[in-house]
Amino acid sequence: GNSVTQMEGPVTLSEEAFLTINCTYTATGYPSLFWYVQYPGEGLQLLLKATKADDKGSNKGFEATYRKETTSFHLEKGSVQVSDSAVYFCALSEDGTGGFKTIFGAGTRLFVKA
Amino acid sequence: KAGVTQTPRYLIKTRGQQVTLSCSPISGHRSVSWYQQTPGQGLQFLFEYFSETQRNKGNFPGRFSGRQFSNSRSEMNVSTLELGDSALYLCASRDTGKGNEKLFFGSGTQLSVL
Repeated sequence: GNSVTQMEGPVTLSEEAFLTINCTYTATGYPSLFWYVQYPGEGLQLLLKATKADDKGSNKGFEATYRKETTSFHLEKGSVQVSDSAVYFCALSEDGTGGFKTIFGAGTRLFVKA
Repeated sequence: KAGVTQTPRYLIKTRGQQVTLSCSPISGHRSVSWYQQTPGQGLQFLFEYFSETQRNKGNFPGRFSGRQFSNSRSEMNVSTLELGDSALYLCASRDTGKGNEKLFFGSGTQLSVL
């Protein structure tokens, strides 16, 4: 079945450092890919998405490019802030005769120090 | 528009009891999905409901069940609780009318089984 693998955390960075969180996927067909973020005590919220190969999703300074050849969707940000501290989930969606489902990676916790 | 509302926010139960969790989706959203979130397993898909029908189900035992009402509100039930059922249960709704894959999450119900 389809699956998502993302780098284990926690990741600890100083403010203004460069961020990369790796994500690879296994899927039949061409699923849409997502990054969701979870702040403490809250549910997940969509950060960005890409629906086809070579698409780049971007939001709040974060970006990720759908790479079909490497089955990857790595999250990057050029300069992190303390407020970016959260758990980040890579995900893919499948919607076929079996119904709709979003499959999530295990999540990567990011700590940003001032 | 009001967001996804989950009640109660916290629950403490003992082994063998049963529990019912509630989720009110965003107005107009007809799809509701449930996830179990634990530190070790990440987010695990439980099931998805659309127009009062379960369309997709994850790999959970039959003790986990759900239903959806005509107003799209959904409930999830866990019978004969086990210690391992302690988790954050997240509900997410989706606007299927636009073929949209974006999930809107509630803040979750934190279930502790003693």
